[in-house]
This record gives sequence, structure tokens and C-alpha cells, in this order.
Amino acid sequence: KAGVTQTPRYLIKTRGQQVTLSCSPISGHRSVSWYQQTPGQGLQFLFEYFSETQRNKGNFPGRFSGRQFSNSRSEMNVSTLELGDSALYLCASSLEYRTWDEQYFGPGTRLTVT
Amino acid sequence: SQQGEEDPQALSIQEGENATMNCSYKTSINNLQWYRQNSGRGLVHLILIRSNEREKHSGRLRVTLDTSKKSSSLLITASRAADTASYFCATGNNNDMRFGAGTRLTVKP
Repeated sequence: KAGVTQTPRYLIKTRGQQVTLSCSPISGHRSVSWYQQTPGQGLQFLFEYFSETQRNKGNFPGRFSGRQFSNSRSEMNVSTLELGDSALYLCASSLEYRTWDEQYFGPGTRLTVT
Repeated sequence: SQQGEEDPQALSIQEGENATMNCSYKTSINNLQWYRQNSGRGLVHLILIRSNEREKHSGRLRVTLDTSKKSSSLLITASRAADTASYFCATGNNNDMRFGAGTRLTVKP
């Protein structure tokens, strides 16, 4: 069974631009969670999507948004990029939502904002 | 915000030695997990221990959980150079999963 895939793996953007990251969960998994990892703040939960609906949200500004499609693939969008948005963005999939003990992580997308 | 704090922040040992990492957390949890991350890549799930368990083993890994002290420890026995990575504890409750800051383990051959 294929693992969680994330595209692109690396991305360079400039301040003020917007970016869309994609995550394809493991086949059969219906929940996708997103995390931001930075040296200063560590790993932080962004949001979780299940059945095309956002179920949980972390403490991030409205510039961070996401969506989930009927095939469970998910995208996250960051608008008006700031330097502090430079981070490794990880997505994780699980069968159901809030099943934190059965999450499988993708390799991440490394976003650099200049 | 982060839930857990790992201790130590960095650990350097020789191959064959044991490595112990500790994690403390703040709120009530349903479970606690340990993950490994190599060089800023994705997280690999190592082991999960539920709040009603006190100790769990998986291969060379041993995890303990003390809910009264809100702390956990991860022991890696007979370490190998391939164990060099960052190790994170993560706590799950009804709302989200929160990660600690991580311990950077270096195993020297």
C-alpha cells in the first residue's frame, strides 16, 4: 500500500505570495491532518479534515486554510506569505478523525519564503 | 503551542550504549506516542502507549508512562549509528495531537 505523498517536496516563494500544498493520504484513509514544523516553534497542529469538512483547527491565523476533496486528498493554502511561514509542512493520514494513534506521516513539503 | 518537553535537548552516545529520553506534558491525555525524524523529513511512528498502560516494549524500544507525574521515557537499547535522529513525544487527547520539542540523538560508530 502506497504511503502518504506530498507535493511539491520543496518550494520557494516570496513574501506576499500565496502557496498551495497537496497531500494524498493512504488509500482508504479518510482523515488528513496538517502540521507545521519550524526550529523555533517545533511541530504544531494546523488542522484536520475528515469527509471534506474541517474538524479541528490549531491556533493559526486565517491566512492558513485547507480543504479536502471527495477522494480524501487534501490541500492547504497559505495566503500573503510571511518570512515566518518558512517551515516544513507535514501531513498525516488516518482512517477516521481524531484517531491520533494511527497517523501516518508524509515526507513533508519544505517551504522557504524569501 | 507545544504540549510536551523533551529532556535532554541533545544526546550523544557511542554505538552499543543505551539512550534514554524523557518527555513531560501538561494536560490529560488519551495516549502518548514517540516518533523519529531523520534530517527534517517525515515522522516515523515508533510506539504508542495508552494512558492506562505503564510500560510497553517494541524491539529495542522500551517506553514508560507515569500519568501521575505527567511524564514518559523512551529507552533505546544497544543503540546503532542508524538510530541517529530526532525523537519526539506526542500526546493525544480529544481535540488534537501535540508534539514536544524533541531530543536530538547522535550515535557515534
